[in-house]
Amino acid sequence: ETGVTQSPTHLIKTRGQQVTLRCSSQSGHNTVSWYQQALGQGPQFIFQYYREEENGRGNFPPRFSGLQFPNYSSELNVNALELDDSALYLCASSLEPGGFTEAFFGQGTRLTVV
Amino acid sequence: KNEVEQSPQNLTAQEGEFITINCSYSVGISALHWLQQHPGGGIVSLFMLSSGKKKHGRLIATINIQEKHSSLHITASHPRDSAVYICAAPNFGNEKLTFGTGTRLTIIP
Repeated sequence: ETGVTQSPTHLIKTRGQQVTLRCSSQSGHNTVSWYQQALGQGPQFIFQYYREEENGRGNFPPRFSGLQFPNYSSELNVNALELDDSALYLCASSLEPGGFTEAFFGQGTRLTVV
Repeated sequence: KNEVEQSPQNLTAQEGEFITINCSYSVGISALHWLQQHPGGGIVSLFMLSSGKKKHGRLIATINIQEKHSSLHITASHPRDSAVYICAAPNFGNEKLTFGTGTRLTIIP
């Protein structure tokens, strides 16, 4: 039990639609990172939020956006869904930014775009 | 070339065997994460280490910063150790964790 919860666990959407994925971080964790994991691959960094501001972004288009709220919850929004967006989406919370603090991962949301 | 590479990609062993999974990285770091991912997706952080060796139960992780190499060892392996083991390295100067593609470990009773 990592104390990080994601919802929903599974989701099916149609190409072109929009989706919002949610993450509830551990209390006191000011940092949340989102990752996309395609089947058989390692997770790829999407972006990170620290104290409600974006604090680093990977090679993902602007239709991937996020929000972080004061209550340690956050969202990942994806607009204009494409088939290749089908993946496991993971959030990870940590006390501080940077890769030098322990990250606690959620169980992930498996998104299928048809 | 991936910045973080793991070997082997797949490993099958008998219960009780000593397991070694290797991780090499080309990014400039001073710490490395070892993670465990079970079927269904949930990831658990096993170790974060910046030098030497760490031990939790039957799991041991070592790192050589100069050689940019880390190993994860499992002693007296058990079928419940079956999972994907992933190493991840943070880049200096940004907030990104770069992950290896993982080693799928299967322990046969």
